[in-house]
Amino acid sequence: SYEVTQPPSVSVSPGQAASITCSGDKLGDKYASWYQQKPGQSPVVVIYQDNKRPSGIPERFSGSNSGNTATLTISGTQAMDEADYYCQAWDSSTVVFGGGTKLTVL
Amino acid sequence: QVQLQESGPGLVKPSQTLSLTCTVSGGSFNSDSYYWSWIRQPAGKGLEWIGRIYTRGSTWYNPSLKSRVTISLDTSKNQFSLKLSSVTAADTAVYYCARVVAVAAWGDYFDYWGQGTLATVSS
Repeated sequence: SYEVTQPPSVSVSPGQAASITCSGDKLGDKYASWYQQKPGQSPVVVIYQDNKRPSGIPERFSGSNSGNTATLTISGTQAMDEADYYCQAWDSSTVVFGGGTKLTVL
Repeated sequence: QVQLQESGPGLVKPSQTLSLTCTVSGGSFNSDSYYWSWIRQPAGKGLEWIGRIYTRGSTWYNPSLKSRVTISLDTSKNQFSLKLSSVTAADTAVYYCARVVAVAAWGDYFDYWGQGTLATVSS
């Protein structure tokens, strides 16, 4: 079965850019979405179709997807961005989630 | 504003069937632009997709759960439901229902989620 892999954790200083990767075989041939989940809350989509931002999501969130890696970038990271982030793709009509990355802003 | 609300027993005995319902408000339930899905998350772990149902009733399930899962629809009540049979402690998780935006070429994504409901499997 298809798998996508994320680093368990990423740390970033406030105001700096954070990048979270999601790797999978030929992932660039698929669409990737990204979800932010804060403790005790439901996930929220921050990027869909590789690089589209839903309304209400700050411009500092951006995405790219090429080759075997999709990347979520948060520019000018703020303390409020500290959360778990999950990538998601489709394979053979089924949903695949990455294992999640805990973003720490310190 | 679309809202989804999960409901159902919070405690299920091993080997029994877990049954949950998601009630959708705010419109769009019968639109072909969307369909509906269940996702679960064990405590401290990641998200696992369970399956989806289209407004016309067709379903698709996670292969790892397919033999135990049934998702159904009640359009008259704007609800869709999950049944997971023969549960074990490994099925203990927060269960989310979500709306899926249908996009060409499998760019579909989850745009609205319920608040989640904890289902515990224990005797």
